[in-house]
Amino acid sequence: GIQVEQSPPDLILQEGANSTLRCNFSDSVNNLQWFHQNPWGQLINLFYIPSGTKQNGRLSATTVATERYSLLYISSSQTTDSGVYFCAVEETGGFKTIFGAGTRLFVKA
Amino acid sequence: DADVTQTPRNRITKTGKRIMLECSQTKGHDRMYWYRQDPGLGLQLIYYSFDVKDINKGEISDGYSVSRQAQAKFSLSLESAIPNQTALYFCATSDSAARSYNEQFFGPGTRLTVL
Repeated sequence: GIQVEQSPPDLILQEGANSTLRCNFSDSVNNLQWFHQNPWGQLINLFYIPSGTKQNGRLSATTVATERYSLLYISSSQTTDSGVYFCAVEETGGFKTIFGAGTRLFVKA
Repeated sequence: DADVTQTPRNRITKTGKRIMLECSQTKGHDRMYWYRQDPGLGLQLIYYSFDVKDINKGEISDGYSVSRQAQAKFSLSLESAIPNQTALYFCATSDSAARSYNEQFFGPGTRLTVL
């Protein structure tokens, strides 16, 4: 089955800093989502982005499907950005969504 | 009101007990999913259902069963709970007819502890 790798596994930032999170996948995909899991465990949809670029406030994401990777950009980070960021993909021809192991982000005040 | 609800939100039980976790949605989505998250890890798919008459096993279905009682309801059962089923359980929904094909939306999770 498809493999999903996220990097870095852990990231510590000072408030106000920018960061880039990466998601690599091993096969073609029907869709790709980015989620933020907050410290209370809630999963929040950030982007649905099987290809192209999207922006939402301080966050943006780019997926290059032909090269099998996606990037999540966080600018001017805030303490409320802390948590775990997951990439999830549905492989082409399949019906299952596979999650990466996540990037754990801690933003210091 | 939340679009995807899960009950209970927290549950502590003993080894060997039967447990049912319930999920309801008001989004009108046709597809529903159950996932498990172990501490420090990503989510793993347990079962998924594309409509009321369709049930499919995911990556880790052993020890679990499901029932799709209606389009809006999907329950997960642990017939005889064991300690390594201690985890955070999530229900999710998606709409196969949506422009954002199969974008998944998650409930708040159920934290299950098996002693």
